[in-house]
Amino acid sequence: QVQLQESGPGLVKPSETLSLTCTVSGGSITGYYWSWIRQPPGKGLEWIAYVYYTGTTNYNPSLRSRVTISVDTSKNQFSLKLSSVTAADTAVYYCARTPKTTLNFNYYYYMDVWGKGTTVTVSS
Amino acid sequence: SSELTQDPAVSVALGQTVRITCQGDSLTRYYAIWYQQKPGQAPVFVIYGKNNRPSGIPDRFSGSSSGNTASLTITGAQAEDEADYYCNSRDSRTNHLVFGGGTKLTVL
Repeated sequence: QVQLQESGPGLVKPSETLSLTCTVSGGSITGYYWSWIRQPPGKGLEWIAYVYYTGTTNYNPSLRSRVTISVDTSKNQFSLKLSSVTAADTAVYYCARTPKTTLNFNYYYYMDVWGKGTTVTVSS
Repeated sequence: SSELTQDPAVSVALGQTVRITCQGDSLTRYYAIWYQQKPGQAPVFVIYGKNNRPSGIPDRFSGSSSGNTASLTITGAQAEDEADYYCNSRDSRTNHLVFGGGTKLTVL
């Protein structure tokens, strides 16, 4: 079955750029949307962005100016870059497969497969 | 507005029925999508619509919607259902996704 694995530095200095990669195994990245979600310690989930396998993107407006999401179909990976990080960006970062489906003439994006998450701490 | 509001905490006696609610303007048009998260684990997709569940999710979980409020109902709650539950929807114009703040379910 499809599995996702996040990878990247666990510690990032303030003002630097956080870079994470999600590797998809057991299935193809083609045909799906793919999301990044984060969860600060003790808090709820926050959607960051999604990317379609063709490269089409959509971003959380509150993070839009600092975030870039991209996809590499040749490597079956997608990535997240978050610039100018502060302590407020400390969180567990999850990647998730995000199928788009239709129900009663409306379409929905849902996250059906998640990575285990990777903890990123912003500290000097 | 695409914000979603959930009660912070709900409790239910073992074997009883509990409803977890989510309010937001987008829910007048869309069903909510629900996720379950247990401590230290990644979220798990539970349901969207009334009964669109992935394999492995018991049929005691069901969804419903009325006006701007979506509900996740657990009929006959089990100890293993104790978790945080998050609703999720999207903005119809921008397709931005949003999560509710989460509801901590305690099974007594």
